[in-house]
Order: sequence, then C-alpha cells, then structure tokens
Amino acid sequence: KQEVTQIPAALSVPEGENLVLNCSFTDSAIYNLQWFRQDPGKGLTSLLLIQSSQREQTSGRLNASLDKSSGRSTLYIAASQPGDSATYLCAVLSGNTPLVFGKGTRLSVIA
Amino acid sequence: DTAVSQTPKYLVTQMGNDKSIKCEQNLGHDTMYWYKQDSKKFLKIMFSYNNKELIINETVPNRFSPKSPDKAHLNLHINSLELGDSAVYFCASSHSLTDYNEQFFGPGTRLTVL
Repeated sequence: KQEVTQIPAALSVPEGENLVLNCSFTDSAIYNLQWFRQDPGKGLTSLLLIQSSQREQTSGRLNASLDKSSGRSTLYIAASQPGDSATYLCAVLSGNTPLVFGKGTRLSVIA
Repeated sequence: DTAVSQTPKYLVTQMGNDKSIKCEQNLGHDTMYWYKQDSKKFLKIMFSYNNKELIINETVPNRFSPKSPDKAHLNLHINSLELGDSAVYFCASSHSLTDYNEQFFGPGTRLTVL
C-alpha cells in the first residue's frame, strides 16, 4: 500500500530565502507525482506534475524533482515571497489507486 | 471559466439528515473523483468514476452514495449524517483514468454536522 510522507510538517522562512520541501513514497512503481498548493479554506491548486519517466519539472520560481528509485521528490521554491505562504501537498499516482496524498508542509514566508 | 465547481461551498446540518453535494466539470474530462479532507487536513480518496461508471470505492460507509448522471457531473449524496462526517469534501477530475494525467480540484464543500 502506497504511503506518502512530507517533511517538514511546518516551515517558516524569511522573505527572499530559497527553500526545499521534501516528499517520500514507499512504492516506487508510480505513474506520476503531483505537487499542489492549498490556501487556508480554499481548494487545491496544481503546481507541477512529474511523470514517472521525468526527472524534474519547472514553473517560474518552482522546480520539482523526482527520484523514483529512492522514492523521493523535492519542491524547490526560489526567492520566496509572503504570497507563497500556504500548505504544499505532494500526491502520488500508482497502481489502480487514485492520488495518495501526504499530510502536507505548512509554509510561512515572513516579510 | 473552465473549472471544477462544487455547490454548496458550506453546508451546516443536523445529525441524521440527508444531504447532497453537487460537482460539475467543464473540462471535458472522463474521470471524476470525490476526496475527503478531515480535521487533521489529511486528504483521502472516496470514489472514482470513469465515464459515469464507478471504478474505485474505498472503505466508505454505504451512507455515502455517488451518482454520475453524465460525464460532467458527479454528485455525492450522504444519508443519516453523523458527527464524524464533518469535513471538507473535494471533487476532482482528470482527462482519463489511464493517461495518468493531472487532476484538477474543485474549491471544496465544508460540511459541518451538529
């Protein structure tokens, strides 16, 4: 059974810092991995999707990497801004099950 | 706007009542999902429908019954509501079940059972 873990659970950084969020999964036979952002009281916004054959994806200041063999993904946020404050969720698609989510990392960027 | 939409956004009701949450997507997707986010913010799949057919039904009480009148709609009906049903329910869709495409989520419905 696929399990997804995200570390740290919460992170607070000053504005302008670069930061890395970590995601690990137990079953490396995945189809893809998706990073989402969730603002308080809001829905999920898809940030990046990495297919199992890919190593990384980039969108603006965000870069997500995937190391399938070790069961790890990282989300790198460059030059963080207060508007980046949100909960970041990692989710994995594998087997016949829909997305399995981690519990998220709550990010606070302090101005 | 092309999107996944849900109604209502908030739902407050008494224990024992029956309620429905509606979901519509205008993305032309074949596959739709219902997820539950509990008080600890943990998101978990409940149901998955592909072309109006139930594909996945996780261990969800049979008080929960999804209904898909067409590919663009997946409604969630809940009978005999219990306190533990209080959560945020998210609808999502993806292009198809087999193409492993990106999933798009609705804004969520916050259900509070009193």
